Amino acid sequence: AQRVTQPEKLLSVFKGAPVELKCNYSYSGSPELFWYVQYSRQRLQLLLRHISRESIKGFTADLNKGETSFHLKKPFAQEEDSAMYYCALSEGGGNKLTFGTGTQLKVEL
Amino acid sequence: GAVVSQHPSRVICKSGTSVKIECRSLDFQATTMFWYRQFPKKSLMLMATSNEGSKATYEQGVEKDKFLINHASLTLSTLTVTSAHPEDSSFYICSASPGLAGGGIQYFGAGTRLSVL
Repeated sequence: AQRVTQPEKLLSVFKGAPVELKCNYSYSGSPELFWYVQYSRQRLQLLLRHISRESIKGFTADLNKGETSFHLKKPFAQEEDSAMYYCALSEGGGNKLTFGTGTQLKVEL
Repeated sequence: GAVVSQHPSRVICKSGTSVKIECRSLDFQATTMFWYRQFPKKSLMLMATSNEGSKATYEQGVEKDKFLINHASLTLSTLTVTSAHPEDSSFYICSASPGLAGGGIQYFGAGTRLSVL
């Protein structure tokens, strides 16, 4: 069965510092990986997906199949990045998502 | 972007009553809808996957007779918590996916806070 691990419940960084939110997964096939974000008092929304290979709001994430990781990175954190971040895995084809436990990112001034 | 409406946002009910939660995709057709439950400070736990016109697929440990799911159209799915008890109190979230046409992305509702007295 697939599993997604986010080892950090809370990550605090100062504004302008680099950010790395860790995500590891276990899945025997070829997964699709996503990062979803939930800002305060808002619904969960897609941040980015590995297939797109794009940078959203300055965030990037590279799928490393050797290390089975999909870490989320941003070189310079902004205050508005403070939110809950969930890594998620799909078997593909619009199938169900398996979520990690989430990491609360707090960007301090 | 795609919008998913979930109603009600909050409901309080007496133990033993049933509660219906609606999930609507407002500007796209959702071939698949998903229902999640989120416990305080925990991740989202998938309860069931619902495809339009067919029976829902429930995850292990989720009682199908307790949590009735209906996906009557491509824009509406409902979750009915039958004979609710205090332990059913939780935050329920739905999502909708346009399927492969939409890259398999799920769009989430704002959630429903259920409190059973």
